[in-house]
Amino acid sequence: KAGVTQTPRYLIKTRGQQVTLSCSPISGHRSVSWYQQTPGQGLQFLFEYFSETQRNKGNFPGRFSGRQFSNSRSEMNVSTLELGDSALYLCASSPQFERTGELFFGEGSRLTVL
Amino acid sequence: GQQVMQIPQYQHVQEGEDFTTYCNSSTTLSNIQWYKQRPGGHPVFLIQLVKSGEVKKQKRLTFQFGEAKKNSSLHITATQTTDVGTYFCAGRASGSARQLTFGSGTQLTVLP
Repeated sequence: KAGVTQTPRYLIKTRGQQVTLSCSPISGHRSVSWYQQTPGQGLQFLFEYFSETQRNKGNFPGRFSGRQFSNSRSEMNVSTLELGDSALYLCASSPQFERTGELFFGEGSRLTVL
Repeated sequence: GQQVMQIPQYQHVQEGEDFTTYCNSSTTLSNIQWYKQRPGGHPVFLIQLVKSGEVKKQKRLTFQFGEAKKNSSLHITATQTTDVGTYFCAGRASGSARQLTFGSGTQLTVLP
């Protein structure tokens, strides 16, 4: 069974640009979560999608947005990039939107903002 | 909002020594999970604890969930170089299907 696939794996952008990251969950998984990881900050929750609906949202500015498609694939977009947006963006999938159950993480998309 | 704090942030041990990381939540949790992230890798699920006072073991790893379901610990006995990585706890607040909130992690270095 293929794991969670994130594309692109690495990208470099400049301030003010926008970026779109993609996540394909494990086949059959319907819930997708996004996390931002920076050194020393752990994993900061961005948002969680299930059945094409955003179910939870973290404390990030409106420049961060996401969506989920009918095939459960998800994208996140960051507009007007800032230097502080440089991070590893991790996508995780799980079978259902529920109170228990492990998350399966992808390898991440490493964004560098110059 | 819910906060999950983890200590220590860094831990260096000699191979063969024990290691413990602690996790504390500002709110009561419905469950807590532990993940390991190897250098350059992504977080990988280790275990989930659900019951108050629960203790689970995986070979040299022992996981505990506090009686009040607000804290947890991970203890590794006789560390090996393969234990190197960052260990994260992650808790989901009780009462509703809220997001999994991660602690800041403990980065373990094992010196041979």
